[in-house]
Amino acid sequence: GAGVSQSPSNKVTEKGKDVELRCDPISGHTALYWYRQSLGQGLEFLIYFQGNSAPDKSGLPSDRFSAERTGGSVSTLTIQRTQQEDSAVYLCASRRYNEQFFGPGTRLTVL
Amino acid sequence: AQSVTQPDIHITVSEGASLELRCNYSYGATPYLFWYVQSPGQGLQLLLKYFSGDTLVQGIKGFEAEFKRSQSSFNLRKPSVHWSDAAEYFCAVAPTGTASKLTFGTGTRLQVTL
Repeated sequence: GAGVSQSPSNKVTEKGKDVELRCDPISGHTALYWYRQSLGQGLEFLIYFQGNSAPDKSGLPSDRFSAERTGGSVSTLTIQRTQQEDSAVYLCASRRYNEQFFGPGTRLTVL
Repeated sequence: AQSVTQPDIHITVSEGASLELRCNYSYGATPYLFWYVQSPGQGLQLLLKYFSGDTLVQGIKGFEAEFKRSQSSFNLRKPSVHWSDAAEYFCAVAPTGTASKLTFGTGTRLQVTL
């Protein structure tokens, strides 16, 4: 069946612009996670959704980062006023039982 | 706070040789344990996982891992490496329970020489 999909696969933006990253989880998976992979910080957790609510937002690095999930499915991660340190690969995962399935990621480059 | 240590940043092995990638974790109780592989430009693929029970777990692509509680380790092994195994390998832990956010190690990059 279809896996986790993310769009766009690559995004180049200018410093100060807002960006939206999209994640389509595997159908029926109620838990969804966002992670960030960067050279300096490795792989780090950002936010967790159970259904449409986010009980754990502890990994969001600043208030410029926000995320939502609608219909218990698609999730959008929004970064406002992007900074160069936001450049990274943003990975989304959805979970079945205790196993997370990852999407291919969105590579964000902030110029 | 939980942490995961992968002491080897980069490992080079010859094709056909055996492989062991080290992983140590720090956690209050035995967490769930995972190994993921990431090929260049790809997402993360789960190789294997340990939740409980038999401490030697088998995964995909001929990989296995052994959980050693006394050493807080979960090392990944493969008896004979193939050139296609060249990738980055991540060990991860998650608390037992429903949230299960993953904490990753810094990764080990595997290079395979022919």
